[in-house]
Amino acid sequence: DTAVSQTPKYLVTQMGNDKSIKCEQNLGHDTMYWYKQDSKKFLKIMFSYNNKELIINETVPNRFSPKSPDKAHLNLHINSLELGDSAVYFCASSHSGGATSGRLGTDTQYFGPGTRLTVL
Amino acid sequence: RKEVEQDPGPFNVPEGATVAFNCTYSNSASQSFFWYRQDCRKEPKLLMSVYSSGNEDGRFTAQLNRASQYISLLIRDSKLSDSATYLCVVNIRGSQGNLIFGKGTKLSVKP
Repeated sequence: DTAVSQTPKYLVTQMGNDKSIKCEQNLGHDTMYWYKQDSKKFLKIMFSYNNKELIINETVPNRFSPKSPDKAHLNLHINSLELGDSAVYFCASSHSGGATSGRLGTDTQYFGPGTRLTVL
Repeated sequence: RKEVEQDPGPFNVPEGATVAFNCTYSNSASQSFFWYRQDCRKEPKLLMSVYSSGNEDGRFTAQLNRASQYISLLIRDSKLSDSATYLCVVNIRGSQGNLIFGKGTKLSVKP
C-alpha cells in the first residue's frame, strides 16, 4: 500500500498555464506539507497544513496555492507557470503532534514519490 | 549562514569502509533531529532520528551535540546499497513541524 501518493509523476507544460498536483495520504495523519526540490537538489518547505492552520513559507509566490478537500488530501495549484517553477515537488505528511507536541516520533514525515514539473 | 550545513561530498569509499558525515545547524531552537536518505530521483526517506544520548541502528550511529549544534552520522561496513544522498534535517520548536533540510552529502560506495 502506498502511504503518500502523488499524481502525476511527470508534468510537462507551457509557460503561463495553470496546473494542479494531487496528493493523498492513507496514514491517518493530520498534517500535510508541500516541498520543492530545485535543480541544485535543495529541498525547501513551501506549505504546511492541518485542519486548523495553513503555514505559508513567505518566499513562495502567491501563484502557488494549496487546497485541501479533506484531511487525507492536499493538492497544489499553480497559476501562470514560469520557467523557474521547474522542479520536483514532494508532498509529505505527519501526525498532528508536529514540533509543538515535543513527542518523539510524532514529527516524522513521510514523503510521496514526487512530481517532476518541467515548464517549457 | 545557512540553517543546516553539510559537506556536499561526494564521498567515494570502498565497500566495507567506515564513513562519517557531519552537519551543523544554526538555530538554537532546533528540537528534533533526523537523518534522511534520498536515492537518485526518489523521495527522501527517514533513516533515523537523532537523540541527545546518541543512538545506533545496525551499522548506523547518530550523535548529537547540542552545545556545538552539531550532528553526525557514522556508517560502518559500507555496502553498495548505502550509495545515496544523506540529508541532515532539523525541526524547530514552534514551527508547525516544518523540517529544515541540509543540502545533503552524497555517498558513493564502490566495489
